[in-house]
Amino acid sequence: LAKTTQPISMDSYEGQEVNITCSHNNIATNDYITWYQQFPSQGPRFIIQGYKTKVTNEVASLFIPADRKSSTLSLPRVSLSDTAVYYCLVGGTSGTYKYIFGTGTRLKVLA
Amino acid sequence: EPEVTQTPSHQVTQMGQEVILRCVPISNHLYFYWYRQILGQKVEFLVSFYNNEISEKSEIFDDQFSVERPDGSNFTLKIRSTKLEDSAMYFCASREGLGGYNSPLHFGNGTRLTVT
Repeated sequence: LAKTTQPISMDSYEGQEVNITCSHNNIATNDYITWYQQFPSQGPRFIIQGYKTKVTNEVASLFIPADRKSSTLSLPRVSLSDTAVYYCLVGGTSGTYKYIFGTGTRLKVLA
Repeated sequence: EPEVTQTPSHQVTQMGQEVILRCVPISNHLYFYWYRQILGQKVEFLVSFYNNEISEKSEIFDDQFSVERPDGSNFTLKIRSTKLEDSAMYFCASREGLGGYNSPLHFGNGTRLTVT
């Protein structure tokens, strides 16, 4: 199983762009990279998923270099409501693959 | 947007009692999961379920735990004899899993289990 490493915590100010990097050195060929957001007392919420290069949706962008050993979640112009824990997961393309959560990155957005 | 629903949102039980946590996964999803999160700690995998049987389970998921999909829509987690250390948020998740696309997990908002 691919292990992920993220910074434990980050602080940012409202309106800034936040980049959270995840290291996954032993990512397998078929593994996708998925990011989740979790607010206190709520279930993790899917943010974005990618395999290589860049993926963008309405809330975030995901940058994956060619070697795929790391990925960066980019949150443009964060607001106070983006204060949450962000998890990076890597997983395969089929089956019941048990997605393993790491400790995540606790993002605190300050006014 | 379809979502995973869990009931109850909060369950209080006495040590040694049985509890059943209920989940309704998204209707066209094929793979089902239970995770738990002890307060202040990370989300831990318990069990995955596909085609009416357990696919994989963690060391946490011992003989006190069982899962069932009784009627094609509900997915339940039973703890036979609760212990104090079972106090946690329990999250149900499901994923579509069709073809080769790595469909992401969709989580419910959890059941907070408090064992006294």
